[in-house]
Amino acid sequence: EADIYQTPRYLVIGTGKKITLECSQTMGHDKMYWYQQDPGMELHLIHYSYGVNSTEKGDLSSESTVSRIRTEHFPLTLESARPSHTSQYLCASRPTGLNQPQHFGDGTRLSIL
Amino acid sequence: GQQVMQIPQYQHVQEGEDFTTYCNSSTTLSNIQWYKQRPGGHPVFLIQLVKSGEVKKQKRLTFQFGEAKKNSSLHITATQTTDVGTYFCAGPGDSSYKLIFGSGTRLLVRP
Repeated sequence: EADIYQTPRYLVIGTGKKITLECSQTMGHDKMYWYQQDPGMELHLIHYSYGVNSTEKGDLSSESTVSRIRTEHFPLTLESARPSHTSQYLCASRPTGLNQPQHFGDGTRLSIL
Repeated sequence: GQQVMQIPQYQHVQEGEDFTTYCNSSTTLSNIQWYKQRPGGHPVFLIQLVKSGEVKKQKRLTFQFGEAKKNSSLHITATQTTDVGTYFCAGPGDSSYKLIFGSGTRLLVRP
């Protein structure tokens, strides 16, 4: 199993709070991704990174932001959480090279009250 | 934009019955990957198909890539309760480092 870690596993927090979801991988992968997934539904790419200091918005518009200061770390931040942000957030990484599979973390289940 | 569609959305089978999910892309794919997500879990990579008409097997699972490389299927023979989960196909997006995931097929197995 791949070594990619997400914290917290669950978060219930009030509207208006600033939130940072952590994602770290120990495999030295250049490519990292954030997906948003509602229970039992499809995966939506919201951010990705090709390497340090490289971040791009994904296919689904999101009010979140990301940073990639270190290879192993790809945190996602919501400046002011709203109930519409309630979802599961999955982080993934993959090695450089064509057609490599993605390795996913366990996800963060976020509930905004 | 590129789309990857999967059918059916969900299927409920009796243990021992077979199951198939189909994946269709609006564009030709260089490869297709399949993932399984258990309830409450995260997607886990199963297999990748690259060649036109390719067929690969993993025990009771058979994966097929269409001749035109625009569709794929996953067939499970004699389902077991451990097969429960959502199966996603995924193909390269506008960048070879991005994946476009299908909508997934949720499999429920009655014991």
